[in-house]
Amino acid sequence: NAGVMQNPRHLVRRRGQEARLRCSPMKGHSHVYWYRQLPEEGLKFMVYLQKENIIDESGMPKERFSAEFPKEGPSILRIQQVVRGDSAAYFCASSPALNQPQHFGDGTRLSIL
Amino acid sequence: AQTVTQSQPEMSVQEAETVTLSCTYDTSESDYYLFWYKQPPSRQMILVIRQEAYKQQNATENRFSVNFQKAAKSFSLKISDSQLGDAAMYFCAYRSARGGATNKLIFGTGTLLAVQP
Repeated sequence: NAGVMQNPRHLVRRRGQEARLRCSPMKGHSHVYWYRQLPEEGLKFMVYLQKENIIDESGMPKERFSAEFPKEGPSILRIQQVVRGDSAAYFCASSPALNQPQHFGDGTRLSIL
Repeated sequence: AQTVTQSQPEMSVQEAETVTLSCTYDTSESDYYLFWYKQPPSRQMILVIRQEAYKQQNATENRFSVNFQKAAKSFSLKISDSQLGDAAMYFCAYRSARGGATNKLIFGTGTLLAVQP
């Protein structure tokens, strides 16, 4: 049973470009969470999605960031017009139900030149 | 709002010895979960142990155990017989179990554990 798959593992973008981070949850998991880890800090919650629905986006910056989890395919975290401060590790986690433990992917390390 | 505090940025332990990592949290809720995650240099997030707040018995997973003090809002992690592979960043995390709450984890800032051979 494959774990949570995130790709790419590393992503380099220039300022002003768009970054797309993908997350395929574990089989049977319909709840997806995105977290951001800035250098030397803990993980901070960004957004929680269930299939086709955003349930909680209280940790998501109001501008340039968006997330989706379509009926078919992976969850996507999209960052438009990236800036240096977006450089971080972005982790995706999934769970099969609301009160079940979250399983994390290996993260995507985003670097902005 | 809930907060999680890890007051030890770094800790060190000799191989085969025991070490305790501290975590305190603040919440007005009575029902919640607490977790310890391990993040080795590979940066994976690995669940080490989980505790339900309604359970008085402390959780144990092999060499890892917790000391959960609900009244004091304290949740420390004890690692016995430390091994070189235990070297990692350890994060304490909180999650509400309140009906209608989302499943988001609230993390502390982490404790970097070094294991000396």
